[in-house]
Amino acid sequence: AQTVTQSQPEMSVQEAETVTLSCTYDTSESDYYLFWYKQPPSRQMILVIRQEAYKQQNATENRFSVNFQKAAKSFSLKISDSQLGDAAMYFCAYSTRDDKIIFGKGTRLHILP
Amino acid sequence: GAVVSQHPSWVICKSGTSVKIECRSLDFQATTMFWYRQFPKQSLMLMATSNEGSKATYEQGVEKDKFLINHASLTLSTLTVTSAHPEDSSFYICSARETSGIYNEQFFGPGTRLTVL
Repeated sequence: AQTVTQSQPEMSVQEAETVTLSCTYDTSESDYYLFWYKQPPSRQMILVIRQEAYKQQNATENRFSVNFQKAAKSFSLKISDSQLGDAAMYFCAYSTRDDKIIFGKGTRLHILP
Repeated sequence: GAVVSQHPSWVICKSGTSVKIECRSLDFQATTMFWYRQFPKQSLMLMATSNEGSKATYEQGVEKDKFLINHASLTLSTLTVTSAHPEDSSFYICSARETSGIYNEQFFGPGTRLTVL
């Protein structure tokens, strides 16, 4: 069965600094998608970034980038120039094309002013 | 962008009553919708997968007779919590997968907070 593991329940970073959230997953599939979702206090789930497993190039979205290591089954999220608005729960997630999304337990990110 | 709405955003009901929560995809068609439950400070737990025009598929441990799901159209799925009890109090989130979408991206509703007294 597929699993997603986030080993950091909470993290803190100084405003304007860079922080990396870790995620590992387990699957026997070769074609799949990985996601990072943000859940702010409003609890609205927001897609931060998406990575297709067949793409070797790491996805980037403005200040957000990932380090996708397929062989190691690792998918970390780097947030550069952290802003107060980045404070939220971050969920790493996995899915195949036609299947449900499996979420990790989340990492709560605090931004220190 | 793709928008998913949920109604109501919060509801308080008495124990033993039934509550219906609606999930709508506002600007796209969704063959598949998902219902999640989230306890405080925890991750999303998938309850069931709802497919338009067919019976929902429930995850192990989810009572299908308590959590009735109907996906009557390509833009609407409903979750009915029947004979609600205080332990059913939770945050319920739906998501919708765009029918013509290239990626398996789900768009999430804002959630419904259910409190059962």
